[in-house]
Amino acid sequence: GAGVSQSPRYKVTKRGQDVALRCDPISGHVSLYWYRQALGQGPEFLTYFNYEAQQDKSGLPNDRFSAERPEGSISTLTIQRTEQRDSAMYRCASSLEGLPGTGELFFGEGSRLTVL
Amino acid sequence: RKEVEQDPGPFNVPEGATVAFNCTYSNSASQSFFWYRQDCRKEPKLLMSVYSSGNEDGRFTAQLNRASQYISLLIRDSKLSDSATYLCVVNDFQGAQKLVFGQGTRLTINP
Repeated sequence: GAGVSQSPRYKVTKRGQDVALRCDPISGHVSLYWYRQALGQGPEFLTYFNYEAQQDKSGLPNDRFSAERPEGSISTLTIQRTEQRDSAMYRCASSLEGLPGTGELFFGEGSRLTVL
Repeated sequence: RKEVEQDPGPFNVPEGATVAFNCTYSNSASQSFFWYRQDCRKEPKLLMSVYSSGNEDGRFTAQLNRASQYISLLIRDSKLSDSATYLCVVNDFQGAQKLVFGQGTRLTINP
């Protein structure tokens, strides 16, 4: 499809395992964002890229979280040594140009992570 | 204090009613403002931008009050299909270029 694609859609893992969440943005979109959304809350900013450069990672909760976008397209969010508090919906979004622009982020359907 | 604050609701209103909700933001340097809509178990989608002079899009009116640092959304003649969570969103200039989302206000339109 032409939208933002995320995989896996659902991931259940045991505490202490590493997980990698993948995002394939809309083709040609310059900026890629990672957000985390807890139930009943709005999306919480984690990090973003313009092309392959990570511009802001101030929202990453701690050093167990990292993200990359090596070729300026697909991005991976990695969580090492997962903890139960990491359980959430992880949402990727892309925008054609850097913000603010039109302010339009196109979100994927998300990856729901459950840490047991 | 949260950067963007909204009343989470829920707001339950009858079809055809007018409903309004506000949000406040803490960063006075913020320049761009938006409303996003999120349907149950779906991803957020841009509803409309909010301009300084206020703007309308059909039954939806958005307004910005910079002095008081709040944004409002008014929905007239509400439809059942308007039932969703409405997210107030602010572009954070102080940090990098990122969108900061409020908690969202849940709206249910009843027949």
